[in-house]
Amino acid sequence: DTGVSQNPRHKITKRGQNVTFRCDPISEHNRLYWYRQTLGQGPEFLTYFQNEAQLEKSRLLSDRFSAERPKGSFSTLEIQRTEQGDSAMYLCASSLIVHGSTEAFFGQGTRLTVV
Amino acid sequence: AQSVAQPEDQVNVAEGNPLTVKCTYSVSGNPYLFWYVQYPNRGLQFLLKYITGDNLVKGSYGFEAEFNKSQTSFHLKKPSALVSDSALYFCAVRDSSASKIIFGSGTRLSIRP
Repeated sequence: DTGVSQNPRHKITKRGQNVTFRCDPISEHNRLYWYRQTLGQGPEFLTYFQNEAQLEKSRLLSDRFSAERPKGSFSTLEIQRTEQGDSAMYLCASSLIVHGSTEAFFGQGTRLTVV
Repeated sequence: AQSVAQPEDQVNVAEGNPLTVKCTYSVSGNPYLFWYVQYPNRGLQFLLKYITGDNLVKGSYGFEAEFNKSQTSFHLKKPSALVSDSALYFCAVRDSSASKIIFGSGTRLSIRP
């Protein structure tokens, strides 16, 4: 499968615990996005990387959230001290930006439930 | 700042009839526009995009979209709806400065037999 891969698919955690999600983008895609989606709503932008550089982070994102893409390939999203409001689907997408734009391809997402 | 508006939460159409899902956008530069579809418990699937050129773009599953610069719109259309088209549809925009992609709130399309 050469699509975007996200792990785990589901995560249940207790409030206050830390969680980490992984995203493996399509090979050679230089841009990687993280989004959050709640039921029936559109994906909400969290952050994106161009290769290993994190170029933008949403102002809605608290300091408890951090993302990395250390070698410009896979990325991790960590949430520290989880809260019930963090329960959502976390989506990763990748695209190849060369001249102009191409579409972003999405993974299946990681569903986080904070209890 | 970029923004996308999908004014209809839900669109109901009879099978075989044409359908339109509306989208308007706001960007500071030239827009790159996208439509995605999401089926229950599935990720977002790319349908079509407008980058430049012909204002009418064709995509997957018989869908097409018309770019209208003066009205800042990018409506999704299909000449003859299928029950299997029932899903959640998202319009998205990125401006030409190559920044983030912003999504609309989504429109639920329901096709009745």
